[in-house]
Amino acid sequence: GQNIDQPTEMTATEGAIVQINCTYQTSGFNGLFWYQQHAGEAPTFLSYNVLDGLEEKGRFSSFLSRSKGYSYLLLKELQMKDSASYLCAVTLSGATNKLIFGTGTLLAVQP
Amino acid sequence: KAGVTQTPRYLIKTRGQQVTLSCSPISGHRSVSWYQQTPGQGLQFLFEYFSETQRNKGNFPGRFSGRQFSNSRSEMNVSTLELGDSALYLCASSLEGFNSPLHFGNGTRLTVT
Repeated sequence: GQNIDQPTEMTATEGAIVQINCTYQTSGFNGLFWYQQHAGEAPTFLSYNVLDGLEEKGRFSSFLSRSKGYSYLLLKELQMKDSASYLCAVTLSGATNKLIFGTGTLLAVQP
Repeated sequence: KAGVTQTPRYLIKTRGQQVTLSCSPISGHRSVSWYQQTPGQGLQFLFEYFSETQRNKGNFPGRFSGRQFSNSRSEMNVSTLELGDSALYLCASSLEGFNSPLHFGNGTRLTVT
């Protein structure tokens, strides 16, 4: 079966850095997505990793280690508007656009 | 460019009824996927359509079905509704390719009473 684990909740302070981890156990892993979802809104795309290493996009970075089945999303210079759920999702070989999501990490940014 | 549009936004149905949800993808996107989101299970894949053909299917009962039209618009249908079908149903469209991100609509909130 496929298994994706993320912490359920995290709390961080405005201006700080937070790392949200995601571990996965899947067969036929292809790549890993991170999405952000504010309450009552649609998920929005943040990043995609297919090769090992770090992908940086402004305040957000995502890391992947295929051999360890591990990824993290790093958020720098936290802002109140970053309070949201962060969803880790994997794609499998031969299953285009079929994303398997973790249950998400609810991040609360405090002043 | 207009985003993914889902209608209706909210629906209340009774057990045993059926429901049809509609999704209009971003112009030029030929792949449309459907997901069910609940507090306990998170986002779960229902099915994906590309060029009017179902390309992938999740682990949902046959009561859940879908189709895609020649203009890439898609519908999903749930028959014989059960209380457990209450959820947010999200549609997403994308370009072809493994690294093409999904663009989600705001969803249809279905409540079954």
